[in-house]
Amino acid sequence: DIQLTQSPSSLSASVGDRVTITCRASQDISSFLAWFQQKPGTAPKLLIYAASTLSGGVPSRFSGSGSAAEFTLTISSLQPEDFATYYCQQFSRYPPTFGQGTKVDIK
Amino acid sequence: DVQLVESGGGLVQPGGSLRLSCTASGFNFGTYWMNWVRQAPGQGLEWVAKIKQDGSERYYGDSVRGRFTISRDNAENSLYLQMNSLRVEDTAVYYCARDSSGYYYLFDYWGQGALVSVSS
Repeated sequence: DIQLTQSPSSLSASVGDRVTITCRASQDISSFLAWFQQKPGTAPKLLIYAASTLSGGVPSRFSGSGSAAEFTLTISSLQPEDFATYYCQQFSRYPPTFGQGTKVDIK
Repeated sequence: DVQLVESGGGLVQPGGSLRLSCTASGFNFGTYWMNWVRQAPGQGLEWVAKIKQDGSERYYGDSVRGRFTISRDNAENSLYLQMNSLRVEDTAVYYCARDSSGYYYLFDYWGQGALVSVSS
């Protein structure tokens, strides 16, 4: 199975900060990577797919980049509603796998 | 709007069985692959099972293969997960999730989840 390692596991940030989360894959997954946001008690929400394509309705302060085995999720200016846990997921090869998550909380 | 609503969760003893349901609305259910994904308390996400539009192909994660069965009824816009021989480690919130139309295993819509607790 393809392993995804996110860093950091958690971070504290302030409203307005620029936040970057990294996801590294154990092998080349081309651009078959998605990012999800999950708030407590709710289902994950698709933010970005194919490494850099924004899902419908997602604010433009979210962006994704990368290819092969290293990927980045960036929030350009953190908003109060962005405090959540973020997961990367590969859909290159069976079985689909997720990173362990990055919790973004208030500094 | 796309909606997925799970039901059937609850408390069950180890070795027991439970059947989850997911009712879909707002899209043509019969034209999409569907999945179950789970999340143990305080933990990350784990893909569980997948089923083709007509039910002719089914795939399972290693941890549930041989114990869980995914099925669907397109006439009822419903997805199911029959869980047998349940273990304590199966305790999780179970989400049904739709495959996107463009990519396999890209989950574009999720239900709110159903909690399954396995405990004696």
